[in-house]
Amino acid sequence: QSALTQPASLSGSPGQSITISCTGTSSDVGGYNYVSWYQQHPGKAPKLMIYDVSDRPSGVSNRFSGSKSGNTASLTISGLQAEDEADYYCSSYTRSTTHNCVFGSGTKVTVL
Amino acid sequence: VQLVESGGVVVQPGGSLKLSCAASGFTFGDYTMHWVRQAPGKGLEWVSLITWNGGTTYYPDSVKGRFTISRDNSKNSLFLQMNSLRTEDTALYYCAKDMGYSGTYFDFWGQGTLVTVSS
Repeated sequence: QSALTQPASLSGSPGQSITISCTGTSSDVGGYNYVSWYQQHPGKAPKLMIYDVSDRPSGVSNRFSGSKSGNTASLTISGLQAEDEADYYCSSYTRSTTHNCVFGSGTKVTVL
Repeated sequence: VQLVESGGVVVQPGGSLKLSCAASGFTFGDYTMHWVRQAPGKGLEWVSLITWNGGTTYYPDSVKGRFTISRDNSKNSLFLQMNSLRTEDTALYYCAKDMGYSGTYFDFWGQGTLVTVSS
C-alpha cells in the first residue's frame, strides 16, 4: 500500500492562500469521502484539521477548508499566518484486506 | 481526553517489546483505538486498530504477523505487543483515539513513546 502523494513543500506570505494536494487512487481517495487532514508542529503530536473531506472539528479555524475531485483531495489555508507553519498530512480510508487507512507523504508549509 | 503512552526503549533487532497507552477523559470502551508511528524525520504510518470490544483488529503488511494490538477496557488501557523487531520499526509510536465516524479519523493523540531498534 503506497502513501498518498503530496508536494514535499509549499510556501506563502502572510495573508496569502495556499493549497496542498493529496493524490491517491480509486481504492482510497477517489473511492470514498473519508479524507482527513492533520497539522503537525515540530515535536508535537498531529492535530485533526479536516474530516469527511471538508468538515472541521470544533475549534479549528475556518481559514482551513477541504475539497476533493476524483482521486485528488486538497487542503486550502486562507489568510496564511505564522502559526500555520507546520507539516500537513492527508489520510484516507482504503479498500484493502489489511490496511484500514493510508497517510500522505506530508507537506512542509513555510510562511515567508 | 488524555492518552499517555509508555514502554518505549532501545531494543536489539529480533527482540520484543510491549507498549501501553493509558486513556482517560472519555468512555474508553466505546471507541476503536489505533497505533500510528513516525520514524525520525519521516511521515506518519498507521500501524494497527482494534474495535471497541477487541473483536476486530487490522494491521498493514509491514507489521502483520509481528505486532499484536489488544485492549483492557476495565483498565482503560491499550497495548501493542511488538515481536521480531527490525531496525525499520524505529519510530515514535502514538496511541490515537478514533473519532467514531464512518471514516478513520484520529481526533486525539498521545505524545508518543520512542522505540529504537538497534544493535
